[in-house]
Amino acid sequence: AQKVTQAQTEISVVEKEDVTLDCVYETRDTTYYLFWYKQPPSGELVFLIRRNSFDEQNEISGRYSWNFQKSTSSFNFTITASQVVDSAVYFCALGSWGKLQFGAGTQVVVTP
Amino acid sequence: DSGVTQTPKHLITATGQRVTLRCSPRSGDLSVYWYQQSLDQGLQFLIQYYNGEERAKGNILERFSAQQFPDLHSELNLSSLELGDSALYFCASSVDQARTDTQYFGPGTRLTVL
Repeated sequence: AQKVTQAQTEISVVEKEDVTLDCVYETRDTTYYLFWYKQPPSGELVFLIRRNSFDEQNEISGRYSWNFQKSTSSFNFTITASQVVDSAVYFCALGSWGKLQFGAGTQVVVTP
Repeated sequence: DSGVTQTPKHLITATGQRVTLRCSPRSGDLSVYWYQQSLDQGLQFLIQYYNGEERAKGNILERFSAQQFPDLHSELNLSSLELGDSALYFCASSVDQARTDTQYFGPGTRLTVL
């Protein structure tokens, strides 16, 4: 069975602080994809990043960066220099043959 | 804006009723997915259609059904509604059905069953 665990329920930071969101996954598939989505207070789900299981290279995209470690089944996500607009629920998801298995989400609150 | 549209945005109905939620995928996308987001269950995959055919099924109740039409829009039908069906229903679309695809989500339909 596939499972995604986001142990952090809520993280509160002050603007300009960095925020790291943890994600641990379980799968028996050898090929899979990992995603991060953002759900702002308005409710829509916004795609942020995708990483496949064969590519453990960590990247930075603007203020976002991610750390994929297959050995520990973790796919952590960092927001650098957080802004108030980053306040949202962030979901980690595991993709396999069309179905996305989502974690419970982490609420990020950024205060000025 | 993801390019995926969903109507209506809000729906309020009574127990025992039937409703239809509509989704139009992004231009060029052949796959449509439905998800339910509720406080107790989180985000749950319901069903996937690819080019008019059902491709994958998740935790979808027998009271729920979906279809994808030749113009690729999709409808999710919910019948004999119960209070517990109150949730945010998302539609997503992707280019094809491969596991590599990124799913882009619509704004959702918030269903309230009274």
